[in-house]
Amino acid sequence: GDSVTQMEGPVTLSEEAFLTINCTYTATGYPSLFWYVQYPGEGLQLLLKATKADDKGSNKGFEATYRKETTSFHLEKGSVQVSDSAVYFCALRTSNDYKLSFGAGTTVTVRA
Amino acid sequence: EAGVAQSPRYKIIEKRQSVAFWCNPISGHATLYWYQQILGQGPKLLIQFQNNGVVDDSQLPKDRFSAERLKGVDSTLKIQPAKLEDSAVYLCASSLGQGMLTEAFFGQGTRLTVV
Repeated sequence: GDSVTQMEGPVTLSEEAFLTINCTYTATGYPSLFWYVQYPGEGLQLLLKATKADDKGSNKGFEATYRKETTSFHLEKGSVQVSDSAVYFCALRTSNDYKLSFGAGTTVTVRA
Repeated sequence: EAGVAQSPRYKIIEKRQSVAFWCNPISGHATLYWYQQILGQGPKLLIQFQNNGVVDDSQLPKDRFSAERLKGVDSTLKIQPAKLEDSAVYLCASSLGQGMLTEAFFGQGTRLTVV
């Protein structure tokens, strides 16, 4: 079945450091890919998305590129801030069943 | 625009008791989802509605879990009887439709503790 695998956390960084969270997927259909973020005490919210190969999603300084050849959608940010501390979830939706499936999440803590 | 509303925010019950969660989606959203998020894991889809019809409930433990979406708006998720392993955050989400690009909006969830 369709699934998403994320790098395990937790990840702890200093402010202005470079952040990468790896995400790979397995899908029978041709998926759309998403990154959701969950800030402390808040609900999940969409961070960015990409719908086809080589698409780049971007938002709030975060970027992720849909790589069909490596079935990956890694999340990156060049200079993190304390306010980026959150749990990040990679997710996919395929055209065969339209279910939105999530990875296990990666906890990121940014220290001042 | 009002977001997805869920209640209660927290619930503590003893095993074998029953519990119900309520969700009010964003107005006009046809698709409604219930997810279970166990601590340290990603959300797992329990059931997905399109209007008041069930699209997918393949991961819903139907011997103890039930859900309904009357009139295609609000939804309730019930557990009867609860087990210790049901301790989790139950997330409700809604979206305009089921399309590939459609964003799902999430409520803050109900944290259930079964003791």
